[in-house]
Amino acid sequence: DGGITQSPKYLFRKEGQNVTLSCEQNLNHDAMYWYRQDPGQGLRLIYYSQIVNDFQKGDIAEGYSVSREKKESFPLTVTSAQKNPTAFYLCASSPGTGGTIYFGEGSWLTVV
Amino acid sequence: GQQVMQIPQYQHVQEGEDFTTYCNSSTTLSNIQWYKQRPGGHPVFLIQLVKSGEVKKQKRLTFQFGEAKKNSSLHITATQTTDVGTYFCAGSTSGTYKYIFGTGTRLKVLA
Repeated sequence: DGGITQSPKYLFRKEGQNVTLSCEQNLNHDAMYWYRQDPGQGLRLIYYSQIVNDFQKGDIAEGYSVSREKKESFPLTVTSAQKNPTAFYLCASSPGTGGTIYFGEGSWLTVV
Repeated sequence: GQQVMQIPQYQHVQEGEDFTTYCNSSTTLSNIQWYKQRPGGHPVFLIQLVKSGEVKKQKRLTFQFGEAKKNSSLHITATQTTDVGTYFCAGSTSGTYKYIFGTGTRLKVLA
């Protein structure tokens, strides 16, 4: 079954801890993205990657880090520097410029 | 930086009424896409517009791309309860994979 798999679906983090959200795609897409969505709000771009071993900051990259060591994987680390990390995180991929963006099911992160 | 705004933020309509959401970009776009997110779900692709002035239809949904390629609209004719959700536009500028999503319009349809 093709698509984008995010894990975990729900995650609780203690203040001061780093957490990593996994995102894997088997669509052979070049581009991958991470968006953050706060309740009742729009999607804000955290990071995106156009090719393996390369990624670019989005509008709200502070407190987050990513890697793109493999085409199919784009994990997101929410660091302790992110002051308000509680949100819904969406990973996405697309074949490239002008291509449809496909989203994963999302990961809910709550800081306790 | 590039900003994409949508209006209205919320819209409640009676079933059978029409609905329109408008998307405005601060920069000229190479293409614009529209997505629908059901409550508790993830955004799902609806359509892409590329050409200036382009109009596309999908059953009761009509999408338009402005002549200047800085604005777009989505019109739903005779809304149904299945149309409930948040509608987002997403714009990209030429030569980039970066897509900026609009603020979204949340549609509620009252039966």
